[in-house]
Amino acid sequence: EAGVTQFPSHSVIEKGQTVTLRCDPISGHDNLYWYRRVMGKEIKFLLHFVKESKQDESGMPNNRFLAERTGGTYSTLKVQPAELEDSGVYFCASSLRGLGAFFGQGTRLTVV
Amino acid sequence: GQQLNQSPQSMFIQEGEDVSMNCTSSSIFNTWLWYKQDPGEGPVLLIALYKAGELTSNGRLTAQFGITRKDSFLNISASIPSDVGIYFCAGSTSYDKVIFGPGTSLSVIP
Repeated sequence: EAGVTQFPSHSVIEKGQTVTLRCDPISGHDNLYWYRRVMGKEIKFLLHFVKESKQDESGMPNNRFLAERTGGTYSTLKVQPAELEDSGVYFCASSLRGLGAFFGQGTRLTVV
Repeated sequence: GQQLNQSPQSMFIQEGEDVSMNCTSSSIFNTWLWYKQDPGEGPVLLIALYKAGELTSNGRLTAQFGITRKDSFLNISASIPSDVGIYFCAGSTSYDKVIFGPGTSLSVIP
């Protein structure tokens, strides 16, 4: 069974550009999470989907970040326009409730 | 907000030694989790703890959920080079949304 997959694995963009990250959760997992680790700091929660609905988006930094999960399958996280402080590793995770979340390998975003 | 503290921040040990690291929180969690992250990879779940006082093993790893529900420890016995990585504790109160600690970086000297 495939794990959580994220695309791209790396992205380097200029400040002001737009970037879209994609996450494909484990098949059948209704819960999907986005996290971010900024250099040297802890992994921080961004938001949580249950199927296609946003359950909790309290961790989203500002309105430059937009997450979607159309049809309750894969999810995208768009950053528009990107700023330097958005650089970091973005992780996606999925779970069946109460059984622990499985993480993807992450997307390393560098804004220059 | 909820915060986790991990200690130590980093460790350098000889291969074969035992390792102990712990995690404390200012608030109560219903679930404690320990993850390991290798370079270029996402965190991998090592052990999940669901009850206060629970002691769980996974191979050479042992973790305990503190009775106060505000702390947990992870022990690694007889360390080997592939144990190198960053170990994160994480707490969860609902669903599987987790709050991560800052991590303990482990280096194993052959």
